[in-house]
Amino acid sequence: AQSVTQLGSHVSVSEGALVLLRCNYSSSVPPYLFWYVQYPNQGLQLLLKYTSAATLVKGINGFEAEFKKSETSFHLTKPSAHMSDAAEYFCAVRRMDSSYKLIFGSGTRLLVRP
Amino acid sequence: DTEVTQTPKHLVMGMTNKKSLKCEQHMGHRAMYWYKQKAKKPPELMFVYSYEKLSINESVPSRFSPECPNSSLLNLHLHALQPEDSALYLCASSQGTLGGGNTEAFFGQGTRLTVV
Repeated sequence: AQSVTQLGSHVSVSEGALVLLRCNYSSSVPPYLFWYVQYPNQGLQLLLKYTSAATLVKGINGFEAEFKKSETSFHLTKPSAHMSDAAEYFCAVRRMDSSYKLIFGSGTRLLVRP
Repeated sequence: DTEVTQTPKHLVMGMTNKKSLKCEQHMGHRAMYWYKQKAKKPPELMFVYSYEKLSINESVPSRFSPECPNSSLLNLHLHALQPEDSALYLCASSQGTLGGGNTEAFFGQGTRLTVV
């Protein structure tokens, strides 16, 4: 069964600092991987996705993630944090077979200090 | 149009009430989902419809009854709920096939349900 683990339920950075949110996956078959962001009282918005076309994936709002098979990781980064980046971030996995199951990690709350 | 629309945005219901949550998308997606999200937790998958047929039921209690009247609409019928069912209910949709890069799910803004 596939799953994702997000290390750190809370990450706090200063405005302008590097953002690094960690995600490790477990899957018996090659996975599709996603990062979603959720602002308070809202739905989930897709930041970026890995579909095997490229290991370095660029997303919206300056975020990017790198798929590393050897480390089973898909960490999310942004060079310079902005106050508006404060939100909950979820890593998610789906199998590359016919399964429609999209499974989420436990989430990481990003706090940005002025 | 990449929008998934959910109504109502907020719902308060008593434990003996019957109510329905509605979800609509016009992206031509053939897979639609219901997720339940408790405060400070990730979304939990409840149901998946694929080509208007129920393909996944994650052992959800029968007081939740999904319905997919057509390829654009998804309903969740609620009956005899418990206070612990209070949560944010999210609808999502995605392409019906997983080939190529169109694999992501698009989410609605959710319905905030309170059971009293």
